[in-house]
Order: sequence, then structure tokens, then C-alpha cells
Amino acid sequence: GGIITQTPKFLIGQEGQKLTLKCQQNFNHDTMYWYRQDSGKGLRLIYYSITENDLQKGDLSEGYDASREKKSSFSLTVTSAQKNEMAVFLCASSIPGGNAEQFFGPGTRLTVL
Amino acid sequence: GEQVEQRPPHLSVREGDSAIIICTYTDSATAYFSWYKQEAGAGLQLLMSVLSNVDRKEEQGLTVLLNKKDKRLSLNLTAAHPGDSAVYFCAVSPNSGTYQRFGTGTKLQVVP
Repeated sequence: GGIITQTPKFLIGQEGQKLTLKCQQNFNHDTMYWYRQDSGKGLRLIYYSITENDLQKGDLSEGYDASREKKSSFSLTVTSAQKNEMAVFLCASSIPGGNAEQFFGPGTRLTVL
Repeated sequence: GEQVEQRPPHLSVREGDSAIIICTYTDSATAYFSWYKQEAGAGLQLLMSVLSNVDRKEEQGLTVLLNKKDKRLSLNLTAAHPGDSAVYFCAVSPNSGTYQRFGTGTKLQVVP
């Protein structure tokens, strides 16, 4: 089996701050994903990457940057945190293809003061 | 693009009762359907998945029904127990898709 690690678990930022979230997986999966989870809105895809150094925009990419430095890691940057923003960011990985089971990390909970 | 609606957003049932969650989708090319479970403070875990050539699948107290004509997918927990309390998400993908689209989630509470 494998595991997905997300750091930090909790992230508190200030309005306008640039914040970076990190994700590591040891499944040796090619594809990795970043989702934002808001209450009542489900999971919305921010970015995904099908291989090292690849980036694909999802439905919610505005206001975010991402980086796939190597196969096992995928970072997400909030370019300018919005005041009173609260959400959980989930990282996932899978083998290639939209019909592949995705394996999720435990999430990073963001609070912006 | 594909729109996925999920209902109800909240569901409370007594232990031993059935719980039914429904998703509807819009794209007739959707070919792959999944249900995920998210326990408190954790990521999602796959419960069951079906391809579009399957109308019904049962596994360990869970039943997935797919109605392609109405573009409706349902998950039935036939005898819910408190350990089933969690948030449930459907996810769909077209045959040639590179990622899945998730529903809005259903928070299920099973009371003893």
C-alpha cells in the first residue's frame, strides 16, 4: 500500500499573503490532483498533473499556482489569500485515466484572518 | 461541461434503516461512476465503482444503481450502522476523460 502526506495539516494566513501547500505520494502514481472542498459545494478541481513537470487547469485554477517538481510531489500556492476564507484542500493521486481510483490525503485546512 | 447534482445534502437515519443518496449528471458520454466515503478529518476513500454497461452492483451492504436513461446514479446503504456516518460523494467521468467530476456531497448521520 501507499500513503499521501499533506503538509501542513492546518494553515493560518493573513489577507493578501502567498501560501504554499505540499503533497507527497509514494504510490508511484503518474497523476496527481488538487481539490478545494467547501461546505455544500463538494470537491472542485483546482489543478492536476499527468506527469512530472506537467500542469493542467481545473475548474477553479484562478488565484492558484501549482508545481509538479517530481513524480512524487505536487505543490499548490494560493497567490493572494482572501480575507475570511476557509476551506479544506485535498490532494489525490491515481494511475492515468478518468476512470482510475483516486487516493486522497487527509487535507490541509486553511483559515485566512 | 458536465454538471453533477447530488441530493440530499444532509441525511439522518436510524440504525438498521436504509439510506439512499442520488446523483444526476448531464453528459450522456459519462461512462464511469464511483462513490466515495469521507470520514471526519480524513480524505476520500473509494467505496464502489461501475462502468456504464452495469445497471446494478451490490457489495457488502451497499447497492449502486445506474439509470442511464434518466442519467441518475444512486447509492443505497441497506442496513445502516453508526460506522456509516460520514460524507458521501459521487464521481463521474466520460470514457475518454482525464479526471472525475465530483458531486456536492451528502452528510449521513446514523443514529443508534
